[in-house]
Amino acid sequence: GIQVEQSPPDLILQEGANSTLRCNFSDSVNNLQWFHQNPWGQLINLFYIPSGTKQNGRLSATTVATERYSLLYISSSQTTDSGVYFCAVAGNQFYFGTGTSLTVIP
Amino acid sequence: DAGVTQSPTHLIKTRGQHVTLRCSPISGHKSVSWYQQVLGQGPQFIFQYYEKEERGRGNFPDRFSARQFPNYSSELNVNALLLGDSALYLCASSFLDSRGEQYFGPGTRLTVT
Repeated sequence: GIQVEQSPPDLILQEGANSTLRCNFSDSVNNLQWFHQNPWGQLINLFYIPSGTKQNGRLSATTVATERYSLLYISSSQTTDSGVYFCAVAGNQFYFGTGTSLTVIP
Repeated sequence: DAGVTQSPTHLIKTRGQHVTLRCSPISGHKSVSWYQQVLGQGPQFIFQYYEKEERGRGNFPDRFSARQFPNYSSELNVNALLLGDSALYLCASSFLDSRGEQYFGPGTRLTVT
């Protein structure tokens, strides 16, 4: 199967700071998504981004498929950004990374 | 439009029992996938169904089975429950198979005692 590695595993930020989360994957993929998992377990779609760059408010993402990595940028972080961020990729099935746990402190 | 729905939200079972979890996809979506998420880990793929046919199976024992109905809703069945089956079970739907954008339901939290 496809290996998905996320870094860093844990991140603590002061409110207002910027951050970059990275996702490396081991093979070519048909689909790549970023999710935010809230404390109740709900996975919230952030980006569907098999390649290229997208922006949505304070969040943006870039996937370089030829180099097998994706980046999620969070600018001007807020306490509501806290939670676990997952990258997931699709080959013949959907593979999740181990996540980045983000804590934003006021 | 309603999102992906799952039932029940919480469930407590005893070792050796059987459980059935249910999922209704977003209207128009033809693919349903199931995932198991244990505490501190990312979701692990269990099954995918597309147009009522099994399209993929993860590395889970035969105690796990699933099916998709003509209205594209799905059931996940787990027999002979073990303590290690305690987890959050997530369902995702998509218009396409794994290539399409996946949308997740709120999950069913299963506790096996």
